[in-house]
Amino acid sequence: DVKVTQSSRYLVKRTGEKVFLECVQDMDHENMFWYRQDPGLGLRLIYFSYDVKMKEKGDIPEGYSVSREKKERFSLILESASTNQTSMYLCASSLFPYEQYFGPGTRLTVT
Amino acid sequence: AQSVSQHNHHVILSEAASLELGCNYSYGGTVNLFWYVQYPGQHLQLLLKYFSGDPLVKGIKGFEAEFIKSKFSFNLRKPSVQWSDTAEYFCAVNPEYGNKLVFGAGTILRVKS
Repeated sequence: DVKVTQSSRYLVKRTGEKVFLECVQDMDHENMFWYRQDPGLGLRLIYFSYDVKMKEKGDIPEGYSVSREKKERFSLILESASTNQTSMYLCASSLFPYEQYFGPGTRLTVT
Repeated sequence: AQSVSQHNHHVILSEAASLELGCNYSYGGTVNLFWYVQYPGQHLQLLLKYFSGDPLVKGIKGFEAEFIKSKFSFNLRKPSVQWSDTAEYFCAVNPEYGNKLVFGAGTILRVKS
């Protein structure tokens, strides 16, 4: 079974803090993705990576950056957290062009 | 803009009722199509997928979906829902030669026992 793990299930941060969300997959997938999930908006792609050190912007990259130094690990970074970044963050991985496998999510609250 | 539309945001059904959730997309070329489900407190998981071949695909837990190319649709169906089908359902489209999925806004299904 593919396993995608995320470093935290719940996180509370203050406005202006730098926030790191970590994601690890154990299936040697090339592609990894970060989404945010908000009620009524579905999943929106923030960034994705198709190889180590490679990244592409998704639909809503503003305020976020990513890092992929190893194939199994994909990090999402909020450089200066703001209240409008309070959301559920989902990581996923896949072998193109097949289905994506999702982690359990990190519910981030920025106060 | 290219998009995925799910027509109903909330659906409430009684147990044993039939279910159909609509999904339409606006991409003109070849697409791969998916339905994902998120049960309360659980992570998103794949319900079924369509890549090619028979346009009627069967997934887990008695769900099926029909791809109608002329209508740009991929509707999800289940003949008789159970209380345990209460969840949020997402349609997703992978346009050809892309490695991204585009998701619909989701449909929250509540099944009354």
